[in-house]
Amino acid sequence: AQKVTQAQTEISVVEKEDVTLDCVYETRDTTYYLFWYKQPPSGELVFLIRRNSFDEQNEISGRYSWNFQKSTSSFNFTITASQVVDSAVYFCALNYQGGKLIFGQGTELSVKP
Amino acid sequence: DADVTQTPRNRITKTGKRIMLECSQTKGHDRMYWYRQDPGLGLRLIYYSFDVKDINKGEISDGYSVSRQAQAKFSLSLESAIPNQTALYFCATSDNRGYDDTQYFGPGTRLTVL
Repeated sequence: AQKVTQAQTEISVVEKEDVTLDCVYETRDTTYYLFWYKQPPSGELVFLIRRNSFDEQNEISGRYSWNFQKSTSSFNFTITASQVVDSAVYFCALNYQGGKLIFGQGTELSVKP
Repeated sequence: DADVTQTPRNRITKTGKRIMLECSQTKGHDRMYWYRQDPGLGLRLIYYSFDVKDINKGEISDGYSVSRQAQAKFSLSLESAIPNQTALYFCATSDNRGYDDTQYFGPGTRLTVL
């Protein structure tokens, strides 16, 4: 069965701190994609990144970076020098059966000034 | 204009009423999805459609039905709304590219069933 676990329900940091959001997944598929989405207080879901199962290179985009490790079935997301605008709920998701997504429970990040 | 739109954005209704939520997209995607979001549970798939003639149940389809009127339109109906269907509902679309299938979401519809 497919499963995505985000064990951190809520995280609170002070601005400029680095923060890592954890994501652990389970799948029997050999080919799959992993995603991160951001849900700011306004409520919409914003796509952040897609990573395929054959590419374990870390990715960096500005203050955001992602660490994908198949050996531990993890796809963690780090925000460097966090800002108040990073406050949101972040979802990790796994693509399975050729198109469906299963989501983790979400991590609510609060960045305080 | 937004690529994926949902109407209404907010709806309050009473138990037993029939409700339709509508989704339209201008992205030209074949695939469309309906999810509901509940606090602490993330998003769960209700129904999905990979093309106009294709309708599939998702994880939590009981109490819901859908209609794919055209490539660009996918409606979700609650035949007889009940309070535990109070949730935030999202429509999403994706291109037909197998596993490389990023889903793009509409702004959501907040539904309250009293």
